[in-house]
Amino acid sequence: DQQVKQNSPSLSVQEGRISILNCDYTNSMFDYFLWYKKYPAEGPTFLISISSIKDKNEDGRFTVFLNKSAKHLSLHIVPSQPGDSAVYFCAASPNTDKLIFGTGTRLQVFP
Amino acid sequence: DVKVTQSSRYLVKRTGEKVFLECVQDMDHENMFWYRQDPGLGLRLIYFSYDVKMKEKGDIPEGYSVSREKKERFSLILESASTNQTSMYLCASSLGGQFYGYTFGSGTRLTVV
Repeated sequence: DQQVKQNSPSLSVQEGRISILNCDYTNSMFDYFLWYKKYPAEGPTFLISISSIKDKNEDGRFTVFLNKSAKHLSLHIVPSQPGDSAVYFCAASPNTDKLIFGTGTRLQVFP
Repeated sequence: DVKVTQSSRYLVKRTGEKVFLECVQDMDHENMFWYRQDPGLGLRLIYFSYDVKMKEKGDIPEGYSVSREKKERFSLILESASTNQTSMYLCASSLGGQFYGYTFGSGTRLTVV
């Protein structure tokens, strides 16, 4: 059973606009969440993370929001750039070293 | 710059062959992981290791085994390759503790024919 779900397999956004990627989880024991970005033929790279004691974390153009009651997190990219076109994975950790990854969302940013 | 190196970018093997995928990290990380990435299924954990000679099954260990004889090297073994093991295989390492995240290798695209 998929504990971390990304229900949108793809998203297309115009350059300069906001991209919003969503992630839902089922396990209330998850207490740390991360987003990774993956280009074709490369391994995923860490983007941004958030602890369950927070509801928002910001790093430049990237902001992650966490809604614990809804078991939902989202990644906002503002403004979106063509170089942001990639597959984005959310991941969750239940206070262990193991990460549970979602299915990924392919973001395409067009001019 | 810290690195996780996977020995092959592309591999083509025949059904029934024994396949070795090698992964080496130069960061003195305790933990190492093997994932496979498939369309619509995301990254699924095959095996992981918290220390030399230690291994634990992930979510989809069937048909795979692993070896960790040295801290920096973690090998994934397909005992008898099958076509449903055609996939992108990703190795990762981490320092330990959930706050450090993973460093991934570039992946090995394995095709079993």
